[in-house]
Amino acid sequence: DAGVIQSPRHEVTEMGQEVTLRCKPISGHDYLFWYRQTMMRGLELLIYFNNNVPIDDSGMPEDRFSAKMPNASFSTLKIQPSEPRDSAVYFCASSLGVSEAFFGQGTRLTVV
Amino acid sequence: QQPVQSPQAVILREGEDAVINCSSSKALYSVHWYRQKHGEAPVFLMILLKGGEQKGHEKISASFNEKKQQSSLYLTASQLSYSGTYFCGTEFQAAGNKLTFGGGTRVLVKP
Repeated sequence: DAGVIQSPRHEVTEMGQEVTLRCKPISGHDYLFWYRQTMMRGLELLIYFNNNVPIDDSGMPEDRFSAKMPNASFSTLKIQPSEPRDSAVYFCASSLGVSEAFFGQGTRLTVV
Repeated sequence: QQPVQSPQAVILREGEDAVINCSSSKALYSVHWYRQKHGEAPVFLMILLKGGEQKGHEKISASFNEKKQQSSLYLTASQLSYSGTYFCGTEFQAAGNKLTFGGGTRVLVKP
């Protein structure tokens, strides 16, 4: 398996624009996580899914953020409208049950 | 509820040992350890579960003191490849890997 695949790897956008980050988890994994990493706040869990169902979105900063998982092989994290403070590295990770989580290479988002 | 890691940074010579601690103010169900190299994704090292079960790579050792709500990761006979930032992630109940990560410990191993 190629591991968790995220796209794009880098995204630069203007404030106010919509941003969509994409993730393909490892085949067969039943958990999918979205994390955000910044110098100030560290590694934060935004939302996670189990069998495509959102289980906990308490880490989503505000209504501008939304995440979907329409099927077992695809998830998106959308920010609309984007703001400069959303600049961060966004990681997607997947796991099979309570076990090691495999992280994607991340999307570095810069909002100017 | 974020766990506290100590030290924040450590510099080692190859072959030296170090201990990284992760403390929680709340009772823990499990502790997960990850290492992240600069510009890369975090990579799994170990899970320690309440009750003593461990899952991880053989070359890494760690402990989990449930009474003290603390876990320690032991870097023994460190190698250059051990350099990176180590994160502990804590879980307060069996909730499917819902982790709260500490601020990280930066480790630099020098030749």
